[in-house]
Parts: sequence; structure tokens; C-alpha cells
Amino acid sequence: DAKTTQPTSMDCAEGRAANLPCNHSTISGNEYVYWYRQIHSQGPQYIIHGLKNNETNEMASLIITEDRKSSTLILPHATLRDTAVYYCIVREYSGGGADGLTFGKGTHLIIQP
Amino acid sequence: NAGVTQTPKFRILKIGQSMTLQCAQDMNHNYMYWYRQDPGMGLKLIYYSVGAGITDKGEVPNGYNVSRSTTEDFPLRLELAAPSQTSVYFCASSQATSGNFNEQFFGPGTRLTVL
Repeated sequence: DAKTTQPTSMDCAEGRAANLPCNHSTISGNEYVYWYRQIHSQGPQYIIHGLKNNETNEMASLIITEDRKSSTLILPHATLRDTAVYYCIVREYSGGGADGLTFGKGTHLIIQP
Repeated sequence: NAGVTQTPKFRILKIGQSMTLQCAQDMNHNYMYWYRQDPGMGLKLIYYSVGAGITDKGEVPNGYNVSRSTTEDFPLRLELAAPSQTSVYFCASSQATSGNFNEQFFGPGTRLTVL
């Protein structure tokens, strides 16, 4: 799986958009970008994933650059409950995706009131 | 659905003791996983299973054993507990799909301390 680089921590004001960057310059053509988050003391939670097109769901938007070497997770209107560690994961989806995920240290996003 | 459940929530072990961490899921998922998370670090895969009777090693399997006799349950066994196994353990499950993604659902974790 390609290596990812994320900032250690970020702050964002409540109600503003939180933009979390992820660098994955060695990503290969069949690797997807996944985002999970982990609220303190809980298990990780899936947010969104994409291959090369931008994606949006009820939680967030994922913007992937045209060369696919980086991406940004956008939480459009951050709330205090969005304070968590956000993990950017790059991996190939292979036939059922049985093997596990590789989590780095992620970005600790702190939403300020 | 209860989702993925784990017991116990907390446990303190003495060096050399053994214990089993329980994990169950009620979503009829084929795949199940065990991860550990050390303080300030991401999760590391210990073992995973693609179905009843089938298990495979992950990144950090030493010191652990697993079994998968049913679709629902995936217990993790520590035979001789060591301080290096002090960690938070997460169990997860996912469903095999023919699409491009299978979301992993995580349990609440078991916090284990070995003294």
C-alpha cells in the first residue's frame, strides 16, 4: 500500500469548513483513498473513499487531485463532535477486500468553539 | 443490530497470565479483524479471518492466537501476557462485496494492561 503523509494536528473553528490534507505521492493506479476517523476512545469510523473522481456523502467531501498524488477531506460545517483523529489510507481494493487496513498516525483535528 | 461487540472493556493482567478477548458481530459479515492500538499510534492488524474456519496473520501476530468457529465470533487469545501487549484492542468486521469497497465496522475496544 502506498505511504501517506498527514499533518499531525489541525485546528478549525466551529461552523467553518475543515480541510484535511493527505499526501500520497506514490499511489498506484488501482489504489483507492479511504478516510476513517476515530473519536476519542472509540473504534474508527468510515467516512468516505474515492479512486480519482471527487466524492461527496452526508458526512464529507473528498477532493483528489488530477495526478492523484494528494487529496483533501472536507467537513463542510465542522461541529465540536467532529473533534477526532482522521486517518487517510491508501490501498488497493482486491477481490472482496479481506485484508486489513493500514493506519498511520493520522491528523488530530480539534474543533474550537 | 448491536453491530460489533467486545468484552471485556477493561482488563489488567499479570505477566505470564493468559486471557481471551471476545468479539462478536450480528451483521452476518464474512470478514473479521483484530487490531491493536498503542498510545499515540495508528492501528496495527494482528489477525484476520475471511470466514468460519479460515484465519490469517496480519502485521503483528506474535504472541496471539485466533479461531473462527462461527461467522459471528472471533476471539483473540493471549497465552503468556507480556508488558509489550499493553494496548487497546479493536475488533472489526466487514462484508465481502463485488464492488470496489467494503466498509469495516469497529467495536468499542478492550483496554488491556499487563503488569
